[in-house]
Amino acid sequence: KNQVEQSPQSLIILEGKNCTLQCNYTVSPFSNLRWYKQDTGRGPVSLTIMTFSENTKSNGRYTATLDADTKQSSLHITASQLSDSASYICVVSAYDSWGKFQFGAGTQVVVTP
Amino acid sequence: DSGVTQTPKHLITATGQRVTLRCSPRSGDLSVYWYQQSLDQGLQFLIQYYNGEERAKGNILERFSAQQFPDLHSELNLSSLELGDSALYFCASSVGIGGRLAYNEQFFGPGTRLTVL
Repeated sequence: KNQVEQSPQSLIILEGKNCTLQCNYTVSPFSNLRWYKQDTGRGPVSLTIMTFSENTKSNGRYTATLDADTKQSSLHITASQLSDSASYICVVSAYDSWGKFQFGAGTQVVVTP
Repeated sequence: DSGVTQTPKHLITATGQRVTLRCSPRSGDLSVYWYQQSLDQGLQFLIQYYNGEERAKGNILERFSAQQFPDLHSELNLSSLELGDSALYFCASSVGIGGRLAYNEQFFGPGTRLTVL
C-alpha cells in the first residue's frame, strides 16, 4: 500500500478560482513533506518544504499546510492561473530513510479560461 | 534551471537493445537519484548513489544498472530493452543523504525520454 495518498486524482478549475489538494501519509518517523509541481514532460520543481514543527508555508500563490498529528497536508492554490496547470506531487521523507522518499501519485490540475 | 543536466533529451531504440543515460548533478551535490515515470504514471524511485556508493534501491529491474563516477556524474544503463521500458527517466541530485532537511532536498533534471520500438 502506498504510504502517501493524494486526492483528488485530477481536477478542473476556472482561471481565477482557488483550489485545495490533499495529501495523507503514513510514513514514520516523519522528517519532512514537500510539494512539487511537475509540468508535462518536465522535471518536478519544489514548491514548499515543511518539517514536523511547521504547520504552514507559503510560496507566492501556493500555501501548504501540515498537520503532523493527523498526518495530513494540503496545498492551496489561490487565484489560479493557466500556468498552474500541472501535476502536483506530495513527497514525504522518513527521518531514518537515508535518502528514500515516498511519492504520492500526484493530482493533475487543469486550469481553464 | 535546476543545475542538473541529463543527456540525451530523447532516445529512440529497438527492443533488445542497450542504452546509457547520463546525469551530471548540481555543483557540490554528492547524491544522485534515478527515477522512472511511465506515461500517466507517478514517479518510481529506481536507485540512489552517494559519493560513488550505492545507498538505496527501489523498484529497479535486474536489466537496469547504474553507477556514480569519481567526478560524481552518474549513468543509468538499461539493457534487453522492452516496449514497457518506454518512459521518462529523471535524475535528481541533493547535497547529501539522510533525514536532515538541509541535506536531502532533491533538484530534478529535465529528464530523458526513452522510446522503445
